[in-house]
Amino acid sequence: GAGVSQSPSNKVTEKGKDVELRCDPISGHTALYWYRQSLGQGLEFLIYFQGNSAPDKSGLPSDRFSAERTGGSVSTLTIQRTQQEDSAVYLCASSETVNQETQYFGPGTRLLVL
Amino acid sequence: AQKVTQAQTEISVVEKEDVTLDCVYETRDTTYYLFWYKQPPSGELVFLIRRNSFDEQNEISGRYSWNFQKSTSSFNFTITASQVVDSAVYFCALRAFTGGGNKLTFGTGTQLKVEL
Repeated sequence: GAGVSQSPSNKVTEKGKDVELRCDPISGHTALYWYRQSLGQGLEFLIYFQGNSAPDKSGLPSDRFSAERTGGSVSTLTIQRTQQEDSAVYLCASSETVNQETQYFGPGTRLLVL
Repeated sequence: AQKVTQAQTEISVVEKEDVTLDCVYETRDTTYYLFWYKQPPSGELVFLIRRNSFDEQNEISGRYSWNFQKSTSSFNFTITASQVVDSAVYFCALRAFTGGGNKLTFGTGTQLKVEL
């Protein structure tokens, strides 16, 4: 079946602009996760959603970052007033439930802030 | 707090050699899961294996094998008869339940280069 999909694949933006990154999880997966992969910080957890429960936002690095998940499926990660240090690959993952331990990852969105 | 250490930053081998990637983890939880993911040059993280803390039985899948030892907090990954297609970055990850939430804590990865 189809895996996790993310769009866009690549995004170049100017410092100070807002960006939206999209994630479409595997059909039927109720848990969705966002991670960031950067040269200096490795792979970092950002946020996760499980069904209708309040999301765990403990990994968001600043209040410029936010995410939502509409209808329990597609998720959008928004970065406001982007900074150069936001340049990274943003990875989305999903799992059947939060207790189903294996997270399957999408191809990522490569963000470059100039 | 959870921590995963992959001390080997980069390993280069010649095709058909065996290679072992090391992973050491730290957690105070008694219940946890360990994972290995492969990240080829295309960038997508590919799931390889999951092991829970109550199952120390080693596993073999084709040319891949994993050695889980709770006594040394290690979960090492061996590729037998390596091939060029094995070239990738390999990540070890931990999910613990207390304090770790539902996130994966990743090591810094090991870049494996397999040359002809």
